[in-house]
Amino acid sequence: SQKIEQNSEALNIQEGKTATLTCNYTNYSPAYLQWYRQDPGRGPVFLLLIRENEKEKRKERLKVTFDTTLKQSLFHITASQPADSATYLCALGSTGRRALTFGSGTRLQVQP
Amino acid sequence: DTEVTQTPKHLVMGMTNKKSLKCEQHMGHRAMYWYKQKAKKPPELMFVYSYEKLSINESVPSRFSPECPNSSLLNLHLHALQPEDSALYLCASSLDGTNQPQHFGDGTRLSIL
Repeated sequence: SQKIEQNSEALNIQEGKTATLTCNYTNYSPAYLQWYRQDPGRGPVFLLLIRENEKEKRKERLKVTFDTTLKQSLFHITASQPADSATYLCALGSTGRRALTFGSGTRLQVQP
Repeated sequence: DTEVTQTPKHLVMGMTNKKSLKCEQHMGHRAMYWYKQKAKKPPELMFVYSYEKLSINESVPSRFSPECPNSSLLNLHLHALQPEDSALYLCASSLDGTNQPQHFGDGTRLSIL
């Protein structure tokens, strides 16, 4: 069966360091992958989208990579700030189906 | 503030009640979605509407009935729910196509007594 795995335990880092979050998938051939941020009591907020033929995408302090051979995406936040503390969700989608399948999410805590 | 508005923010209902959740967007998006999210779990897709037509139903029980009256509105009608249906119900929209970002509302927190 299809499975999308993210670090189940919270990730704690010091302010100013780079946070790296992992999204691994099995039995899936996604055409694209998206990353979202979710704060407690709020809906997810879209951050970045990367397609299967793209290796890397950047937006300000955010960078995402997509390795279809390893079946893995890495999400990096450089110069992290306490305001970056949230749960980060990866979501996979396939061509022709207007639906995303979300990973379980990783909770990031940035300590001042 | 999000561009997808959901009402009510909180809803408590008995198992015999009928209620509706509402979702509205004015971004010109033509795809709209309902998700269910339990605590510390990811959103689970329930329904997808594309151009006001139901395109995906993820085998959701019939006690949940979606409706899309026009391209800006999405409703979820609830009837005879069970306690395990208590969750955060999220609405989202996207421009169209299969690789568009989704814009989420902040959800309706539903509690079934």
